[in-house]
Amino acid sequence: AQSVTQLDSQVPVFEEAPVELRCNYSSSVSVYLFWYVQYPNQGLQLLLKYLSGSTLVKGINGFEAEFNKSQTSFHLRKPSVHISDTAEYFCAVKETSGSRLTFGEGTQLTVNP
Amino acid sequence: NAGVMQNPRHLVRRRGQEARLRCSPMKGHSHVYWYRQLPEEGLKFMVYLQKENIIDESGMPKERFSAEFPKEGPSILRIQQVVRGDSAAYFCASSPPNPRETGELFFGEGSRLTVL
Repeated sequence: AQSVTQLDSQVPVFEEAPVELRCNYSSSVSVYLFWYVQYPNQGLQLLLKYLSGSTLVKGINGFEAEFNKSQTSFHLRKPSVHISDTAEYFCAVKETSGSRLTFGEGTQLTVNP
Repeated sequence: NAGVMQNPRHLVRRRGQEARLRCSPMKGHSHVYWYRQLPEEGLKFMVYLQKENIIDESGMPKERFSAEFPKEGPSILRIQQVVRGDSAAYFCASSPPNPRETGELFFGEGSRLTVL
């Protein structure tokens, strides 16, 4: 079975600062990795995903993530955040042979002016 | 192309009543997943269905909860005799016929159940 750990439950930053949201996973088999964003009272929207190939993945809204197999990490980064990036961010993992996603507990990113 | 549609968006029930949550997957998708999000927590898998089949229900509570995805119509998550602890956001997601190839799930806006 796979699991996901998001190391920070809350990340406050100032506008235009860089941000990194950390995610580590555990699995005995090959996995796909995802980051989703959830704005208040809304559903989840896919930011980016890693299936194979280049370990640096670029997503929407200027976000990117790097898959590090040796460290079993998939940290999310953005070089300069906006107020509108304030939201809950979820890291998720799926076995390549499976169908369901397993989510981390989420990281609340709050961007302050 | 409409996304995953869930209704109702908000539902209030008194303890002991039944709650029915509906989910219509994206057009062309034949796989449906239900997740529950308790306040201040992440999403927990409940059940995975294909048309007329429950594929994985390992996340479903043993009692009071059931799910179906009939040949025609939406998927339904049914909670009988609700209790206050059932108050949560219930999210439905769908995927195309080959989820192992495409990877991602597409989520609805969620149904927020409040039990008084």
